[in-house]
Amino acid sequence: QKEVEQNSGPLSVPEGAIASLNCTYSDRGSQSFFWYRQYSGKSPELIMSIYSNGDKEDGRFTAQLNKASQYVSLLIRDSQPSDSATYLCARFGSNYKLTFGKGTLLTVNP
Amino acid sequence: DVKVTQSSRYLVKRTGEKVFLECVQDMDHENMFWYRQDPGLGLRLIYFSYDVKMKEKGDIPEGYSVSREKKERFSLILESASTNQTSMYLCASRGVAGELFFGEGSRLTVL
Repeated sequence: QKEVEQNSGPLSVPEGAIASLNCTYSDRGSQSFFWYRQYSGKSPELIMSIYSNGDKEDGRFTAQLNKASQYVSLLIRDSQPSDSATYLCARFGSNYKLTFGKGTLLTVNP
Repeated sequence: DVKVTQSSRYLVKRTGEKVFLECVQDMDHENMFWYRQDPGLGLRLIYFSYDVKMKEKGDIPEGYSVSREKKERFSLILESASTNQTSMYLCASRGVAGELFFGEGSRLTVL
């Protein structure tokens, strides 16, 4: 089983809709989780971090963590065309390394 | 804001050349990382460094070495570049909460 798996996508949503991005992980020792956004040709930028079970909201973004199910998700409300990018899930685990999923390409259609 | 600066955005080198990729961070972070990113393969860790003169192999260290003589600077070295090392190289430093801050990336083409 891969350490971090994301729904492969690509995901396409209309402008104004909710985009849902999902990620599962295999290491139960994982402590911290991060979502990065990466525009084409650019480097990843951190948009959300989450450390404890439950929801964490920041503007239009909500991260959800369920450690029992080894599942983390990112919801983007009121999606905008500028949200079109690849979203990377990452976890910081017991091996002191940050491991990334392969990413989900999101397209928001005007 | 954290600033991670990679010295070269685009490089073109020939097979067999020695290649240096430089990375500097301005936040006094102890941990620094080098990744490469390829389509369909995602981000793969090459090497990381806990502190000055400390280094650890990542998942794909073959063909690479690193140097960390000063805390703010972490260099990636390709001793003898090969075409399969054509890639986007990303340097990052780690903040106190475990998050990574990335540089703009160095796109290397080996002919």
